[in-house]
Amino acid sequence: DPKIIQKPKYLVAVTGSEKILICEQYLGHNAMYWYRQSAKKPLEFMFSYSYQKLMDNQTASSRFQPQSSKKNHLDLQITALKPDDSATYFCASSQSPRDTQYFGPGTRLLVL
Amino acid sequence: GDSVTQTEGPVTVSESESLIINCTYSATSIAYPNLFWYVRYPGEGLQLLLKVITAGQKGSSRGFEATYNKETTSFHLQKASVQESDSAVYYCALGALNQGGSAKLIFGEGTKLTVSS
Repeated sequence: DPKIIQKPKYLVAVTGSEKILICEQYLGHNAMYWYRQSAKKPLEFMFSYSYQKLMDNQTASSRFQPQSSKKNHLDLQITALKPDDSATYFCASSQSPRDTQYFGPGTRLLVL
Repeated sequence: GDSVTQTEGPVTVSESESLIINCTYSATSIAYPNLFWYVRYPGEGLQLLLKVITAGQKGSSRGFEATYNKETTSFHLQKASVQESDSAVYYCALGALNQGGSAKLIFGEGTKLTVSS
């Protein structure tokens, strides 16, 4: 059974719209993260949370807002979507920030 | 700054041949960097392949090995004899834990490996 669930798997959006990417982990971890991989670029760290508190934000734009409604959830809301936001977004989690991060399967977002 | 550079892909190797994927890192602002290799098989998410947290140590998994070399700032991935099932994208990553207690991974570009039979 998958331990980190990301929904949806694929997402097509129009420029200017808003989408929410879902991430749930069933590993009992206390830290969660978002990464993004755009075409031809390395995976890029976006946010980290620990015990539902924001620890680090390296996303320049406020259009990206993580939302942690439960300890094992870290959703990513993206507003005013742009074509440059097209990427695969990966959620990850770890027992603590010192521990190994485990990744979800990713959500592939295409903004037209 | 902190960064990771790895062998530019794609790389094609014949089955049963040896493999090396180079990875070098720069960890100017990280006191105790951890090093990782992740792998992404076709249609799947990233999986941890191996991890080394101490300089001079070697990690191994599924026949793959990598040694954390602080002197050369390298963490090359090697396998003596590859199989078709090893075809995947391999990512070298540098783990950073800052004083505030937050962590992040800094990834290389990824190396796509195709093993031909």
